[in-house]
Amino acid sequence: KQEVTQIPAALSVPEGENLVLNCSFTDSAIYNLQWFRQDPGKGLTSLLLIQSSQREQTSGRLNASLDKSSGRSTLYIAASQPGDSATYLCAVNDNDMRFGAGTRLTVKP
Amino acid sequence: DGGITQSPKYLFRKEGQNVTLSCEQNLNHDAMYWYRQDPGQGLRLIYYSQIVNDFQKGDIAEGYSVSREKKESFPLTVTSAQKNPTAFYLCASRTYNEQFFGPGTRLTVL
Repeated sequence: KQEVTQIPAALSVPEGENLVLNCSFTDSAIYNLQWFRQDPGKGLTSLLLIQSSQREQTSGRLNASLDKSSGRSTLYIAASQPGDSATYLCAVNDNDMRFGAGTRLTVKP
Repeated sequence: DGGITQSPKYLFRKEGQNVTLSCEQNLNHDAMYWYRQDPGQGLRLIYYSQIVNDFQKGDIAEGYSVSREKKESFPLTVTSAQKNPTAFYLCASRTYNEQFFGPGTRLTVL
C-alpha cells in the first residue's frame, strides 16, 4: 500500500526566505503527483500537478520537482511571503489518491 | 462558476443521530470522493464513486453511507454507528489527472 510522508511537519521562516518542502512515497508506480495548499478551516486548493513523465512544474514563485525512481518530490517556494502561511499537502495518484499529512508553514513578517 | 459546493459549513450532531452532508459539483466529473481529515493527519478516504449508481468503500467506511443517484451529487450520511465522527469532511471530484476539492464541512458531536 502506498505511503506518503511529508517532512518537516511544521516550518517557520522569516519573510523573504526561499524554502523547500519535501514529500516522499513508497511505490514509484504513480501516474502523477499533486501539491495542494490548505488554509485553516478551508478546502484544498491545487497548486501544481506533475505527470509521472515530467521532472518539474512551475507556477509563479512555486516550483515542484519529481524524482519518481527515488520516490521523492519537492515544493520550492521562492521569496516567501506571510500570505504563503498555510498547510501544504502532497498527494500521489497511483489509481488511488494518497495524501501526506502536510507541512504547516508559517512565514513571519 | 464551476466548482464543488458543500453544505452546511458547520454541523452539530447529538449522540445517536444520523446526519447528512451535501456535496454538489458542476464540473461534469464522473468520479467523486469523500475524505475525513483529523488534526495532524492526512486525508483518509471514506467512500468514492466512479459513476452514477455505483460507489465503493474507502479505507474508513464503517459508520458512513453514501448514494450517487445523480452525476452532480454525492451526499454522505454519518450514522450513529460512527463512534468518533467529529472531524472535517472534504468532498472532491476528479478528472483523469487532477482532483478538485470543496470547502469542507466541520462536524461536531455534542
